[in-house]
Amino acid sequence: AQTVTQSQPEMSVQEAETVTLSCTYDTSENNYYLFWYKQPPSRQMILVIRQEAYKQQNATENRFSVNFQKAAKSFSLKISDSQLGDTAMYFCAFGEGPTGANNLFFGTGTRLTVIP
Amino acid sequence: NAGVTQTPKFQVLKTGQSMTLQCAQDMNHEYMSWYRQDPGMGLRLIHYSVGAGITDQGEVPNGYNVSRSTTEDFPLRLLSAAPSQTSVYFCASRGAGAPNTGELFFGEGSRLTVL
Repeated sequence: AQTVTQSQPEMSVQEAETVTLSCTYDTSENNYYLFWYKQPPSRQMILVIRQEAYKQQNATENRFSVNFQKAAKSFSLKISDSQLGDTAMYFCAFGEGPTGANNLFFGTGTRLTVIP
Repeated sequence: NAGVTQTPKFQVLKTGQSMTLQCAQDMNHEYMSWYRQDPGMGLRLIHYSVGAGITDQGEVPNGYNVSRSTTEDFPLRLLSAAPSQTSVYFCASRGAGAPNTGELFFGEGSRLTVL
């Protein structure tokens, strides 16, 4: 099984500030996908952002962006202008490509609290 | 569009009892999977299926059975529940055709407590 490591069990950030969540992974594959999922207290898993390994450009979705370092096997999530609604568990996930039968493997999560 | 629907959302069982967690999706997705979520351990894959009639084991399959008789449904069966199976269970699906983003679509989860 692939290994996905999130070394920060908990983090906090002041509202309107920026926070970065870390994720590293281990693979021998060259073609794969990386994801960040958000799980608010409602328990629903929500896709935040995704990155294809063959793309050098870092993905961005509004206030969310990633720093993808393929050689270092690192995939961090930056949340800018943090909002109270960003309080949630955040999971990093890895999936081998091309997709089809390939499964997603998740890290252990980082609990983010946005402080008013 | 209902997406992925899981039932029940909450269940309490006694050790040794059996039950089935239901999962249905209306997106015509070929791939379906079951994960369990435990504190400090993230989501771990139990079983998955790449189409009707095809199932395979994930990381933690012991104590669970699955079947896939239709594209829409992927039930998870606990034949003899144990306290170690107390967890939150998620069903997730993904299409195989283009465009395929690799994204998994999740149900709302089922919280199971085994006493």
